[in-house]
Amino acid sequence: GQQLNQSPQSMFIQEGEDVSMNCTSSSIFNTWLWYKQDPGEGPVLLIALYKAGELTSNGRLTAQFGITRKDSFLNISASIPSDVGIYFCAGHQTGANNLFFGTGTRLTVIP
Amino acid sequence: NAGVTQTPKFRILKIGQSMTLQCAQDMNHNYMYWYRQDPGMGLKLIYYSVGAGITDKGEVPNGYNVSRSTTEDFPLRLELAAPSQTSVYFCASSKPGTGRNQPQHFGDGTRLSIL
Repeated sequence: GQQLNQSPQSMFIQEGEDVSMNCTSSSIFNTWLWYKQDPGEGPVLLIALYKAGELTSNGRLTAQFGITRKDSFLNISASIPSDVGIYFCAGHQTGANNLFFGTGTRLTVIP
Repeated sequence: NAGVTQTPKFRILKIGQSMTLQCAQDMNHNYMYWYRQDPGMGLKLIYYSVGAGITDKGEVPNGYNVSRSTTEDFPLRLELAAPSQTSVYFCASSKPGTGRNQPQHFGDGTRLSIL
């Protein structure tokens, strides 16, 4: 299957700091999605991106669809303790019936 | 506001036993998926279905079977449980097609241990 590489694998930050993470691929995707997974729960969709160069916000979260269509970025501003979790990127390719998921970025916020 | 419902939440099996993981969605989504998530890893697609009566293999289908007799239900069956199948299993659903219909909605998972 397609390989989506997320970095960093894990982050420890102080409450109030901003966070940046990214997702890269060797293949082109036509849709990028960002999910968050809390312990013991399924992934929940945060942001969906459908066009190269698109910049979309959801509260303190901002995500961008890279212009090469091979990467995407997620930023979290002014982190709070409830931001703790694993963040997954996922990509969709034209003609495919499923998503490909990254390996996740584990975020820890220190109060 | 149920969304995607998975049962059971936890299960311990002995090697060689069989079981069925249940998944139901009430959003009238045509597409449904089964993933497994191993510790520290992302989600790997086991099987998916684009509608009742239609199923297709994903990335890691060996050791599993699925059926899709109704739009709402998509059970996953393990016939001969093996330790390598210890994982957390997630079911998801989405609208048909691609692009803006692709965001998938996930259940809360079934944590399965094979001993």
